[in-house]
Amino acid sequence: QVQLQESGPGLVKPSQTLSLTCTVSGGSISSGGYYWSWIRQHPGKGLEWIGYLSYTGNTYYNPSLKSRLSISVGTSGNQFSLRLNSVTAADTAMYYCARERIDRSGSYFFFDYWGQGTLVTVSS
Amino acid sequence: DIQMTQSPSSLSASVGDRVTITCRASQNISIYLNWYQQKVGKAPKVLIYAATILQSGVPSRFSGSGSGTDFTLTINSLQPGDFATYFCQQDYNSPKTFGLGTKVDIK
Repeated sequence: QVQLQESGPGLVKPSQTLSLTCTVSGGSISSGGYYWSWIRQHPGKGLEWIGYLSYTGNTYYNPSLKSRLSISVGTSGNQFSLRLNSVTAADTAMYYCARERIDRSGSYFFFDYWGQGTLVTVSS
Repeated sequence: DIQMTQSPSSLSASVGDRVTITCRASQNISIYLNWYQQKVGKAPKVLIYAATILQSGVPSRFSGSGSGTDFTLTINSLQPGDFATYFCQQDYNSPKTFGLGTKVDIK
């Protein structure tokens, strides 16, 4: 059973960098066919896809965040990380890491495993 | 970006009811449409992918239909555990985008 767990500071000051790590168990982030994403949910709002790290190490970012964003392999173990620079109150949200997989036909992607989420508040 | 519009934003229903939620894409997305269920305080869970395919382990009372721009999630015989918020998500192109959700609560 694949499990994902987010970790990182719950409070970040404006203009600083938000850093989160997702620890994956039950599967390797270098396994073929999977894409390791970050998704956020503003309080009481819908979901916003942030970007992904592919099993090959490639990344793809939401253009709305691209200039401030970096997703990379974590520093230890089976992890991947998110760094978002120059944060403002608008970055206050629940942050989820999730695995995206391709179906057996090889055509359709969907998020099949999610972490429980971590709330990040941007405030001085 | 492709905009996903869900309706209604909320609805009240009783156990045993049939519930229908719609999702409209701002452009043709073929069948690259997924549905998720999110309960309060929990992460979303995939119900249906490719518009109509039930994810393994999801009860058969959930079904999806549609293609192009208009999609529907139907819950037949609503159960107590189905009271939740439902999101659609397009995977036709990046950035992947979600609808704002439909909250299903108890009448």
